[in-house]
Amino acid sequence: EIVMTQSPATLSVSPGERATLSCRASQSVISNLAWYQQKPGQAPRLLIYGATTRATDIPARFSGSGSGTEFTLTISSLQSEDFAVYYCQQYNNWPPLTFGGGTKVEIK
Amino acid sequence: EVQLVESGGGLVQPGGSLRLSCAASGFTFSSYKMNWVRQAPGKGLEWVSYISSSGNIIYYADSVRGRFTISRDNAENSLYLQMDSLRADDTALYYCARDPHEYTHYFDYWGQGTLVTVSS
Repeated sequence: EIVMTQSPATLSVSPGERATLSCRASQSVISNLAWYQQKPGQAPRLLIYGATTRATDIPARFSGSGSGTEFTLTISSLQSEDFAVYYCQQYNNWPPLTFGGGTKVEIK
Repeated sequence: EVQLVESGGGLVQPGGSLRLSCAASGFTFSSYKMNWVRQAPGKGLEWVSYISSSGNIIYYADSVRGRFTISRDNAENSLYLQMDSLRADDTALYYCARDPHEYTHYFDYWGQGTLVTVSS
């Protein structure tokens, strides 16, 4: 099973600042990685797939990078609606499909 | 508009059973792979089960294999999860999620979830 590790667990950022979230895989997942955003009381929302491709209607301030075992989600200028929990998920070696533990982005 | 609506959750005693349903609309259900993903209260996301578009390929997480059964009815645009021998650690919000492409396995649409609570 591929273990996905996200860091930091919590990220405190001021509105308008850049946020950088990390996701590490225990073995290479090539570019088979997705990112999701989850707000309280809501279902997860797909942000990024294929490590770098934004999903439909996702703003350009969200970008994904990386390949192999190291991945990054960058939010270039945080808006109020971006404060949420973010999860990465690998789909290269499965089953099982595995998620990281999440990074909570909170207001500084 | 793609919609996934789960139902069937509730309070059940340990060892009991529940059947979850997911009603799909706004897309050609029979063309898409589907999954169940769960989230324990205050915790992260855990993939539970996968079913191919025709229903002939099925996978389970180790934590539920032998106790849960995924199925689908393409004529009814519905996905199901039969949950038997339930345990306290099965307590979670259960989401159905669409798997959009043939050779990839991420989730582009999610339902709002149905809550399963296993407690005596």
